[in-house]
This record gives sequence, structure tokens and C-alpha cells, in this order.
Amino acid sequence: NAGVTQTPKFQVLKTGQSMTLQCAQDMNHEYMSWYRQDPGMGLRLIHYSVGAGITDQGEVPNGYNVSRSTTEDFPLRLLSAAPSQTSVYFCASSQQASPLHFGNGTRLTVT
Amino acid sequence: KNEVEQSPQNLTAQEGEFITINCSYSVGISALHWLQQHPGGGIVSLFMLSSGKKKHGRLIATINIQEKHSSLHITASHPRDSAVYICAVPSNFGNEKLTFGTGTRLTIIP
Repeated sequence: NAGVTQTPKFQVLKTGQSMTLQCAQDMNHEYMSWYRQDPGMGLRLIHYSVGAGITDQGEVPNGYNVSRSTTEDFPLRLLSAAPSQTSVYFCASSQQASPLHFGNGTRLTVT
Repeated sequence: KNEVEQSPQNLTAQEGEFITINCSYSVGISALHWLQQHPGGGIVSLFMLSSGKKKHGRLIATINIQEKHSSLHITASHPRDSAVYICAVPSNFGNEKLTFGTGTRLTIIP
């Protein structure tokens, strides 16, 4: 039981490049979400899913896309990377009204 | 949208001291989360509580729904408790989207 697996751990992009951050969970959780963590700020919700085929925007969705084709996977796509997207990204999963399980994070730098 | 405030922002204490970290929020909630993040590390869920008190080892979490306030206590603190402690609440009542506090950085000196 691996829990929540995020890849890659580190990534450097040039402005304008695109990439996908991967998130997979093996706990059959309904809820999955992506957050970004910036210095001096709390974790902020980017996108959210309550089940396969259902996604919703969070607090800071601009510049990011998600899809949820299976229960297990919830990839986050950066369409055209910008320096403002330099951050640490966390994926999390849970059942309804249950504790969160986080991935180990992806440290992204956009130059 | 729920507003979350944590205090203190930073806390340094001697090993063995009793630690209290506070979290206040503005909108009624169904449950509150306490999380722990070690330096350079991932985030671990410590507690999820909707009323009263929960205890796990040396950690105790309490919540007062009427006053919209929760506390996290650590008894007999140890250097390995050094971490950032984060509280999180639903953005709106009954909503699974969470709003996070900015965290309390705790340092325990041996």
C-alpha cells in the first residue's frame, strides 16, 4: 500500500514550457486535490475532484488543468509555465469527512 | 469563505515543556484538521475532529465549535516534535474544499 505517490520530486522548467505533475493513490479514495505551498502563505487549493470524471476549481486555478479519468490518478498540467508558478506542489486524497493523505510534494522552479 | 488564523507563528521551547498552538476560524465548520510538516518533508495528518477532544500519544487536540477555536497541545515536548503545525477547515460549512492556516513553526531545544 503505497498511499499517495507524486512524481517528479523536483523539476526545473523554462518559461513557456508545459509539463504534467503526476499523482496516484491506491486507497480507493473518492476525493483528490492539488495544493501549492508558497513561503509565508498557507497551502492553497488549485483543483479538486470528488470522483472519476468530476473536477472543480479551487482558489488558484489559473494556468493549471486537471482531469480525473480514473479513481487512482489525478494529474496536474501546467499549460505554459510562468515564474509565478515556482512553488512546492502537494497532491492529497481522502474519503469524505476523513483525514487527508498527502504525497511527498514536487518542488517546481520556473526560470 | 472561512478565514483561518493560527498563533503563534513561531514558537521556541525547551525540551519537556507543554506546548499550545491555537487556531481560530470565522465560519462554522463540520470538522477541523491538524497537520504536521517536518522541514523539507511531507505533510502528515495528526487529527481530524468535529467536537470535544482527541488524544494520540503526547498530542492532544481540542475544539470549541461555539467559539470557533481549536488548540493543539504537546505534552513533554521533544526535539523530534520540531515541525510546522498547520490547521485546516472547510471553506464553507459542509464543503470538502479546505482553507489552511499559515502554520506555526515549533522548535524544541534539547
